[in-house]
This record gives sequence, structure tokens and C-alpha cells, in this order.
Amino acid sequence: DTGVSQNPRHKITKRGQNVTFRCDPISEHNRLYWYRQTLGQGPEFLTYFQNEAQLEKSRLLSDRFSAERPKGSFSTLEIQRTEQGDSAMYLCASSLAPGTGDGYTFGSGTRLTVV
Amino acid sequence: AQSVTQLDSQVPVFEEAPVELRCNYSSSVSVYLFWYVQYPNQGLQLLLKYLSGSTLVESINGFEAEFNKSQTSFHLRKPSVHISDTAEYFCAVSDPYGGSQGNLIFGKGTKLSVKP
Repeated sequence: DTGVSQNPRHKITKRGQNVTFRCDPISEHNRLYWYRQTLGQGPEFLTYFQNEAQLEKSRLLSDRFSAERPKGSFSTLEIQRTEQGDSAMYLCASSLAPGTGDGYTFGSGTRLTVV
Repeated sequence: AQSVTQLDSQVPVFEEAPVELRCNYSSSVSVYLFWYVQYPNQGLQLLLKYLSGSTLVESINGFEAEFNKSQTSFHLRKPSVHISDTAEYFCAVSDPYGGSQGNLIFGKGTKLSVKP
């Protein structure tokens, strides 16, 4: 297992377009998280999955954002009608169940630029 | 809700000097504490963690952090830094038995800049 993989690494899109990012977690990790990171800020929680179930969504996740993890393996994050304020690094992480204290393993992120 | 405060947004230091990056968290309940490091254009890498037991934890590259429950702090230290330590460092807290379901909450980060 080579860790958490995110694609694409970079995405430039025009305002109003839809974009989709993919995350492949570590195979034995049942939790998958999406975070957003903007300049000068730490990662901000967006949503997480326990297997295929989406258990929590942040207030940051407007109705233009949707995330799926259809078979409890990879996940996609889609942003519809992108806005310039969506420009950020989108980070995916995976972990074992809570209470294990293993922390998260992060992917390298997808940097989105909305022009 | 949990929160994490990293008091210094930037810390410039000369090579071979000691450094301390400060981190305070909001809750005194049992938590897990982490330091992550982020090099330019890369994801976050786990540097070290405190779960229980000894309050002093160490990483393989010479960093250490001390859990202080009374002060709700988890400051990161290194006695002698290298140019290669230049990166952004994030403190994070997890409350595995709380309402956040164990999700990691991050501070805003501290940029460590090591100068020759």
C-alpha cells in the first residue's frame, strides 16, 4: 500500500464549472476525511465517512459540495458551480476507527484554482 | 467544541539554534494530541503524538513535545534545528470519546524558517 492517493494534484477551472476530485485511502482504513486548507490556515474539516456512510458534514460544506464513498473504498468530492472562494488545497486523509490514536494519513492534496 | 491555538504564525531561527513552537488546546478532558509537518506543496505528515503515558514524546528526527495537562499545552521543541526543518507545523487535537467522533481539529500552523 502506497498511502493515500489524491488526483488530480492540480486543477484550474473557470468560475461556474464543476470539478471532481478523487481520493484513494489506505485499504485497511475504514475512515476517510476531507479537509480544506487555505493560505494561512490549518486544515478545516469538511466531512468524513465511516466505510460508505457519510457521518458528519461541516457547515463549510455548502450545498454545492457533495462527497461520496460508494463502496467504502475510494471517495470523490464534487464542487458544482465553482466560485473563486473555493480556491484552496483539498486534503484527503484516512484512519482506523477513533480511539486507536493512530492519527491520520494524509494524501498530497489537490490544489484547486478557480479563475 | 475543541479548539487549538498556535500562538506564533511564523518563527525564524538560525541553524543549530533551539526552537519551541507553542500549542494550546481548549479542553481538559482526555484527548489525543498530534504534531504534523507540511513541506511545500506536500500533504501533512505525522511528526509525533501523545496518547497516554509518558508526557514527553519524541520523533525520529530530534523533535520532542511535552504534554502539560494543567496548562492544556503541547509545545514542540528541538534543541538544534537544521535547514531541512524549514516547513509549516500544525498542532492537532482529537477527542476520541466526544461529540466530534474523534475528528482531528487543527491549529492555524506555525511556519518555521531556518536560516543559515
